[in-house]
Amino acid sequence: EAGVAQSPRYKIIEKRQSVAFWCNPISGHATLYWYQQILGQGPKLLIQFQNNGVVDDSQLPKDRFSAERLKGVDSTLKIQPAKLEDSAVYLCASSRPTGTAPEKLFFGSGTQLSVL
Amino acid sequence: QQPVQSPQAVILREGEDAVINCSSSKALYSVHWYRQKHGEAPVFLMILLKGGEQKGHDKISASFNEKKQQSSLYLTASQLSYSGTYFCGTETTGWMDSSYKLIFGSGTRLLVRP
Repeated sequence: EAGVAQSPRYKIIEKRQSVAFWCNPISGHATLYWYQQILGQGPKLLIQFQNNGVVDDSQLPKDRFSAERLKGVDSTLKIQPAKLEDSAVYLCASSRPTGTAPEKLFFGSGTQLSVL
Repeated sequence: QQPVQSPQAVILREGEDAVINCSSSKALYSVHWYRQKHGEAPVFLMILLKGGEQKGHDKISASFNEKKQQSSLYLTASQLSYSGTYFCGTETTGWMDSSYKLIFGSGTRLLVRP
């Protein structure tokens, strides 16, 4: 099966500019996650969608970050304006909840963002 | 709350064994283990469920101590391909809960040398 697709693979911007990342999950996966991974750290959950509804966005800096998942499939994560500390890899993951057991996450290759 | 992993880094010779620990201050429903190679996405290894244990890979196994809210990942007779960063992810709510989410630890870097 096709994996989780993300684009772009790399992005370099200056601080205060805006940027957007795109994610296409595995077909049939209802749950979609955006994680931020700063160099040397574990992935930090930013937002979690179940279909097109938000399950958790408690760690999302809502003054500058926004995310949407239209029609419960593709998702876009936006940062506006970007700060130096936003430099990180942004990972998208998806899973297919069965309702009977936790499902493993499938990760995309990520978008490496450098804010100068 | 983020789980705590130890050690932070391990260097092994090929064929040696290693143990990576993951602990939480909250009651856990399940623990996930992932491995991430440099520049790549994390890849699923296994899930350990409350009340049970699941082995995901040959020579890589794990345990889940519910009383201590700890999980340990065992790598036996390590191979060069085992090198990477290992992350545990913990769930403190059941997967039937609408607030279910997976929180990752900061990782353990493993280097296997010939």
